[in-house]
Amino acid sequence: QVQLVQSGAEVKKPGASVKVSCKASGYIFSHYAVHWVRQAPGQRLEWMGWIVPANGNTKSSQRFQDRVTITRDTSASTVYMELNSLRSEDTAVYYCARGVAVAGTDCFDPWGQGSLVTVSS
Amino acid sequence: QSVLTQPPSVSGAPGQRVTISCSGSSSNIGAGYGVFWYQQLPGTAPKLLISGNNNRPSGVPDRFSGSKSGTSVSLAISGLQGEDEADYYCQSYDSSLSAYVFGTGTKVTVL
Repeated sequence: QVQLVQSGAEVKKPGASVKVSCKASGYIFSHYAVHWVRQAPGQRLEWMGWIVPANGNTKSSQRFQDRVTITRDTSASTVYMELNSLRSEDTAVYYCARGVAVAGTDCFDPWGQGSLVTVSS
Repeated sequence: QSVLTQPPSVSGAPGQRVTISCSGSSSNIGAGYGVFWYQQLPGTAPKLLISGNNNRPSGVPDRFSGSKSGTSVSLAISGLQGEDEADYYCQSYDSSLSAYVFGTGTKVTVL
């Protein structure tokens, strides 16, 4: 079955960086984009960016443009999201999700299980 | 920025029908981009519930249905069950932001 499995929880200090991985299985990795979405405690979902595994093209939300880097390792069917200059407001669960093209845009299906990133001094 | 607006909460008794609205604009829902609904059970990742024009992925009960009118969409849950208690989010693409956007989220409570 189609599955995305993410790396475990991380605790980071303000100013540090975090790199979260997302390993895909059950489908042809290069055929679908992978998106990153985060959810701060008690807050709504927030789209961060995406990568096209076939060619490595990426696009990020303007809100994270200067701090987020999304990469992929096609040999490992894995996508990575690195967020720099962490601050307390970045404490959140970070999700990866496969993008499925429908009606001119992507829906997200399925999602990884989520990776909790805690930023605290 | 919250470009898709949902009511914070809706509630209903078991067996009742509830609806959740998602209000957008001409740069997202009104522009014809697909609109999708997700269900997020407590402590779990979101799950795709409705895709595009009222299409339900395999395994989603037909109690869930979607509709669209102008710059708004709605999710209806008929025959409400206790297992439907969750947060629900709409999602689309916004051309003015060049970004994927989510609704503010609605918590459904079964009385």
